[in-house]
Amino acid sequence: DTEVTQTPKHLVMGMTNKKSLKCEQHMGHRAMYWYKQKAKKPPELMFVYSYEKLSINESVPSRFSPECPNSSLLNLHLHALQPEDSALYLCASSQRTSGYNEQFFGPGTRLTVL
Amino acid sequence: SQQGEEDPQALSIQEGENATMNCSYKTSINNLQWYRQNSGRGLVHLILIRSNEREKHSGRLRVTLDTSKKSSSLLITASRAADTASYFCATDGETSGSRLTFGEGTQLTVNP
Repeated sequence: DTEVTQTPKHLVMGMTNKKSLKCEQHMGHRAMYWYKQKAKKPPELMFVYSYEKLSINESVPSRFSPECPNSSLLNLHLHALQPEDSALYLCASSQRTSGYNEQFFGPGTRLTVL
Repeated sequence: SQQGEEDPQALSIQEGENATMNCSYKTSINNLQWYRQNSGRGLVHLILIRSNEREKHSGRLRVTLDTSKKSSSLLITASRAADTASYFCATDGETSGSRLTFGEGTQLTVNP
């Protein structure tokens, strides 16, 4: 299995809702990432997990809460989001945590915050 | 902040022509990668070139790297309509750990 899967594909939520995005990979990769991407812009790194521990948090607001339950799964818990948080949220994984660092991306979750 | 800049921002060519995209970066790198993204989808890794390499080929793709100028180029030969996508360069810096820094991207349109 050489793919990263993400669910759901689309999500519409109100500003008072709590929802979660899920990501899964079965390639034995030791690093997993969350990115946020706005239209016509490059992905912006949000979080990095290395060996199931949070290693990078790019000063992301606390309304985004990542979780890595095991080496194959990565969640992003969402609470009290703002309309400007509407974006494509991408999960990625890589075999290594530094150096040679090809990343494999999932198809993304298109999030709309009303 | 993004350290990569890509040039051009948008490129429109006819099928069969070659497409060249350029990327510049600011800091020392371990490697530079190119990714492709179809509209609204995830990114697909195309090719990685290490800092001690100058040129690399993969099928119709040719990547060059000039570390003295801190720049790279991606050439797609004999383009096809299916090559229509956004192309991003990404650098893995010597001090950035697992952090990739993406360029602003080039939107390539190949007209049939």
